[in-house]
Order: sequence, then C-alpha cells, then structure tokens
Amino acid sequence: SQQGEEDPQALSIQEGENATMNCSYKTSINNLQWYRQNSGRGLVHLILIRSNEREKHSGRLRVTLDTSKKSSSLLITASRAADTASYFCATDRDSNYQLIWGAGTKLIIKP
Amino acid sequence: GAGVSQSPSNKVTEKGKDVELRCDPISGHTALYWYRQSLGQGLEFLIYFQGNSAPDKSGLPSDRFSAERTGGSVSTLTIQRTQQEDSAVYLCASSPFFEQETQYFGPGTRLLVL
Repeated sequence: SQQGEEDPQALSIQEGENATMNCSYKTSINNLQWYRQNSGRGLVHLILIRSNEREKHSGRLRVTLDTSKKSSSLLITASRAADTASYFCATDRDSNYQLIWGAGTKLIIKP
Repeated sequence: GAGVSQSPSNKVTEKGKDVELRCDPISGHTALYWYRQSLGQGLEFLIYFQGNSAPDKSGLPSDRFSAERTGGSVSTLTIQRTQQEDSAVYLCASSPFFEQETQYFGPGTRLLVL
C-alpha cells in the first residue's frame, strides 16, 4: 500500500527558481526520507528527517516535517538543470525498516 | 568504494519463462531489499533480508516470486513462469547494520516480458 503521496505530480520551473514538493503520509512514522531518481544516477538518498525534527538543511535542500499534519516538504533553492529528476518521499513502517514510497514528483528544470 | 550492482541491466523474456535477477550489495551491508517499480510509479516493496534470513517476505506478489541470499552477500530474485504484468524495473538496495534507515540503491534490472 502507498503511504506517501507527493504533490504535485509534475513541476516545471526555470533554472534559478526555487522548487517545492510536498509529501503527505497516513500513519505515524519514525522518520521520513527524500530520494532523487534520474536516468543517470539511479535512486539516490538525499536527506532523512526524524519525527522529532521540524526542519533540516543539506546544501540547497531544505526539508520540513509537520507530524500533526502528517506532511513534509522539500525545497530546492536556486535550481539547476542537473536537478531535473523524480523526487520521492519514503516513510518507515513500525521499526522493521521497510520503506513505503510515494509515486514521486517529476521535476523539470528549464534552462 | 563500489556501490550496489545488479545484473543483468536489461532482460527481455517470453511469457512463461523463468528469470533470475542478481544483486551484489555494498560490501559489509547486512540488510538487503528488493523493490519493483512500474513505469511512472513509486517503489513497491518485495522482500527484506537481514543477513541470510528473510524476516519480511510480505511484499512478494505471488508464489512465482522467490528470493535467496547466500553468504550474507549476493542475492537472487527469481520469477517463475513470467507474466506480462511482471514487466518492471527491479531495484535492489542495501544498508549497513548501524544505519539501516538509509538505503543505497543499485541501478536496477529492467525486465520486459513479451
């Protein structure tokens, strides 16, 4: 069953603009992760945020988590053509490390 | 160091044939996962190994699917009597024992059943 749902399904912006993607989930979690998938590098882990954290930064990435609303957002600042990819959120289920994945947001950065 | 590798990268087979997909995890990673990804979709969990044992096989879609892991390293996912709906990208991931929240993925095997 699908736990996370990303929104929007697709996003197209100009290079240099900021991109925001959202993820909603259904059950309580221990942590939430964001991954990026493109044809060149496959599926790559970007950032993990734990349930007791509200915000986390990594380079141009900023992730927020609102456990009361069961939602997370991923902000990519100053986007580059290389950011073109699909972005997935993944949540754990209980403590057995099984990740539940959304269908992803397809991000296109126009030069 | 070397990442997760999978072989073959592409596989075309005829309906009814058996296929074997191989995953070589990162050396020393104790946890290994298999996922299936259909076109434009997220990942569907298939099976999880901790060492050689598979405590969670809940995602295997039918008894045509099986997986094994030997020596705590290489894993093989076998699909018997393939069906067209088995066409997908099969992804393998591994995690180290003390960082199991983060999964490191291989490039996947793209399976096409004709």
